[in-house]
Amino acid sequence: DIVMTQSPLFLSVTPGEPASISCRSSQSLGHSNGHNYLDWYVQKPGQSPQLLIYLGSNRASGVPDRFSGSESGTDFTLKISRVEAEDVGVYYCMQALQARTFGQGTKVEIK
Amino acid sequence: EEQLVQSGGGLVKPGGSLRLSCTGSGFTFRDAWLNWVRQVPGRGLEWVSRIKSKADGGAADYPAPVKGRFTVTRDDSESTVYLQMDSLRTEDTAVYYCTTTCYDTITHLRRGDCWGQGTLVTVSS
Repeated sequence: DIVMTQSPLFLSVTPGEPASISCRSSQSLGHSNGHNYLDWYVQKPGQSPQLLIYLGSNRASGVPDRFSGSESGTDFTLKISRVEAEDVGVYYCMQALQARTFGQGTKVEIK
Repeated sequence: EEQLVQSGGGLVKPGGSLRLSCTGSGFTFRDAWLNWVRQVPGRGLEWVSRIKSKADGGAADYPAPVKGRFTVTRDDSESTVYLQMDSLRTEDTAVYYCTTTCYDTITHLRRGDCWGQGTLVTVSS
């Protein structure tokens, strides 16, 4: 089974400052099509998770360009270039190569 | 646009059973692999089942915590996937989501998972 290790578990950020969340997979998430099967989601209270990034670094439709995803082997990073108040929520990475496994989640709050 | 609409859920006693439903639209349901994911209130996300398309064999998979108690089935004629939950335990209390891979219509590459609205299952005496 693929294990996803996400850090930090909690992030308190000043508006306008950058933020970064890391996710490491226990094995390669590389599909035969050349893409990593790694998504990033944000979940706001009472809502289903919303897609931010797919295939490791592709921004989903309608997602602000302050969100970006990067990949290096089995290490993945979600970056918010300038955090805004509306970015509060819990962020999850998810692998989709073998069934589904999620990171532990990172709760982002605004200072 | 892909949509998953869930129904079912509610309060059940320990040892009881419950069936969840999820109906898809906006995509070719018979070709879809479908998952169920749950979230204990205040906790993280946990995958609990997957069913492949019939064209890919139709097999179902489960993680250890639910194997032997949960059964996922599909009715492609109704574009619906079901999660039958038996021998329920208090630790099964969670919001349950159905999900499926959504694809870019031009590149046909995966563009993340589409999610249902979630349904709460409460196991309590």
